Amino acid sequence: IAGITQAPTSQILAAGRRMTLRCTQDMRHNAMYWYRQDLGLGLRLIHYSNTAGTTGKGEVPDGYSVSRANTDDFPLTLASAVPSQTSVYFCASSADRGRTGELFFGEGSRLTVL
Amino acid sequence: AQSVAQPEDQVNVAEGNPLTVKCTYSVSGNPYLFWYVQYPNRGLQFLLKYITGDNLVKGSYGFEAEFNKSQTSFHLKKPSALVSDSALYFCAVRDGDTGGFKTIFGAGTRLFVKA
Repeated sequence: IAGITQAPTSQILAAGRRMTLRCTQDMRHNAMYWYRQDLGLGLRLIHYSNTAGTTGKGEVPDGYSVSRANTDDFPLTLASAVPSQTSVYFCASSADRGRTGELFFGEGSRLTVL
Repeated sequence: AQSVAQPEDQVNVAEGNPLTVKCTYSVSGNPYLFWYVQYPNRGLQFLLKYITGDNLVKGSYGFEAEFNKSQTSFHLKKPSALVSDSALYFCAVRDGDTGGFKTIFGAGTRLFVKA
């Protein structure tokens, strides 16, 4: 079934460690996104990518980096994790229909930083 | 910069009654507006969107939403609520004029439908 695959589904991480959350889509969508979901704050955009080779900052980009080397993959890296980055992370993608395409979401990656 | 406000943390409604989940937005260009639903421990699922045209948009599971440009609102509605509609609902906005796919979400509204 076509869609978005995120890995890992859950991870406990010591503060200061480096972590990469993986995201792969097989729908050939040009745009991809990373959001974090925190209770009472909804979904906040971390980084996004309009197309392969380009990335943009969202609402809460500090402490995170992304790359978009190809259409399918959009990894999110925490260079040195801190407890405030404990959250559920969602990857999403959308098709290019004059930028009107809706987002398709993965099932999320639950990250706990101790 | 674009933003979304969902003024109600929770909406309670009895099964069979109409429901409304409120959303207001702010963008500098033309708004592209979306509603999504999230069930426990799952990713978000698309319900409906407004891009242009008729202000009343119909979507999945009997939901509809009304775009009101003067009030900068995009409220989600359903004529008759079901217990199975109980979930977390998110409104989102994209600026249709500034280019790019940057999409901003609101904080979410939890809908509770009582039997």
